[in-house]
Amino acid sequence: QSVLTQPPSASGTPGRRFILSCSGGTSNIGSNAVNWYQQVPGSAPKLLIYNNNQRPSGVPDRFSASKSGTSASLAISGLQSEDEADYHCATWDDSLKGWVFGGGTKLTVL
Amino acid sequence: QLQLQESGPGLVEPSGTLSLTCTVSGASISTNTYYWAWIRQPPGKGLEWIGSIHYTGGAYYNPSLKSRITISVDTSRNQFSLRLNSVTTADRSIYYCARLGFIAARRGWFDPWGQGTLVTVSS
Repeated sequence: QSVLTQPPSASGTPGRRFILSCSGGTSNIGSNAVNWYQQVPGSAPKLLIYNNNQRPSGVPDRFSASKSGTSASLAISGLQSEDEADYHCATWDDSLKGWVFGGGTKLTVL
Repeated sequence: QLQLQESGPGLVEPSGTLSLTCTVSGASISTNTYYWAWIRQPPGKGLEWIGSIHYTGGAYYNPSLKSRITISVDTSRNQFSLRLNSVTTADRSIYYCARLGFIAARRGWFDPWGQGTLVTVSS
């Protein structure tokens, strides 16, 4: 059972905007910065967003993220087939005193 | 370009000790602003942080695993290692090493990651 809650699966249409959610609590998302990782099947996770809404160099600006209260969201605009992957949210948890992840959302591009 | 590579046995016997090493190339592990981390992922499931270590040796662990974990660093080899004792089939996972960067306390992220190595627990 993951500390952060993500829907296990989702699907989107190419070209459309899609939003993935990540829900937590006051000790994690409510107090700390959220990161997002993209994991293409068979590969290691890759940093997609850090510090709530910052994109590392090389990440397309189609990817954006935000945080409000104890929830965070990742938005993908102009959805492409190559965006088909698992997306994981993560942050620090003050109560558990450790880094915590969501269970990941498997995004299928129809 | 910074790269991390996990190595170690892919098969461990139940109740035995899992030992993995992460070799860092392209940059020195002895950098004050980074920690180095182990993360695991049971096949088809989510990610779990195991623990992190600084090149000075300071480490902190996932409380749920703390009693069974030791993470160490060897700056001369630019490597850090994981030992997980008393393994069971529940420890079967892909084990990743990663660099943990910060801009402030509790504002950190894992980047980059190694390719991962699958460790199976079986007799």
